[in-house]
Amino acid sequence: EVQLVQSGAEVKKPGESLKISCKGSGYSFTSYWIGWVRQMPGKGLEWMGIIYPGDSDTRYGPSFQGQVTISADKSISTAYLQWSSLKASDTAMYYCARHSNDVDDYWGQGTLVTVSS
Amino acid sequence: DIQMTQSPSSLSASVGDRVTITCRASQSISSYLNWYQQKPGKAPKLLIYAASSLQSGVPSRFSGSGSGTDFTLTISSLQPEDFATYYCQQSYSTPPTFGPGTKVDIK
Repeated sequence: EVQLVQSGAEVKKPGESLKISCKGSGYSFTSYWIGWVRQMPGKGLEWMGIIYPGDSDTRYGPSFQGQVTISADKSISTAYLQWSSLKASDTAMYYCARHSNDVDDYWGQGTLVTVSS
Repeated sequence: DIQMTQSPSSLSASVGDRVTITCRASQSISSYLNWYQQKPGKAPKLLIYAASSLQSGVPSRFSGSGSGTDFTLTISSLQPEDFATYYCQQSYSTPPTFGPGTKVDIK
């Protein structure tokens, strides 16, 4: 069974750093892209970027380039999304999803990030 | 980026109703159009891919159609578990962009 399990909710202060994770199982982790999607409170879905764990090829959406870093550790089948300096506007739910043949077919349960002073 | 619009933004319907949601792309995307369902507090779930292909395990009351710029998601007979928000997504070009969503609630 394909599963993506994300790390737990985080509460951070502005300016702090953060790295959240997404662990894949039940499939060949290095053979599929993993993407990240942001959902701000009460809003829609925004595609942030994607990584191919097999070779770490990474693409970012224009709004997120330079704002976050996507990485992966294929030895433990885990993808990451990180911030070096959080802002209040980063408060959102973040989802990872497996990308296969132009669709996001399996999704993690989401990680809620709250940034507040 | 390709812009996606959806209509209506929300609708109220009764169990058993036929429901149609429309999605439009700002340029031709061939059949690179996917539909997702999201329930409150849950991750999105893939329903339809490549405009009209039903994802495994999704009930056959869901169907999709269209190509180019105009697409439709139809629920043939709305069930209680179908009350949710529905998003279209184009996967023709990077970044893949989502529509703003259509919320389906109980009349």
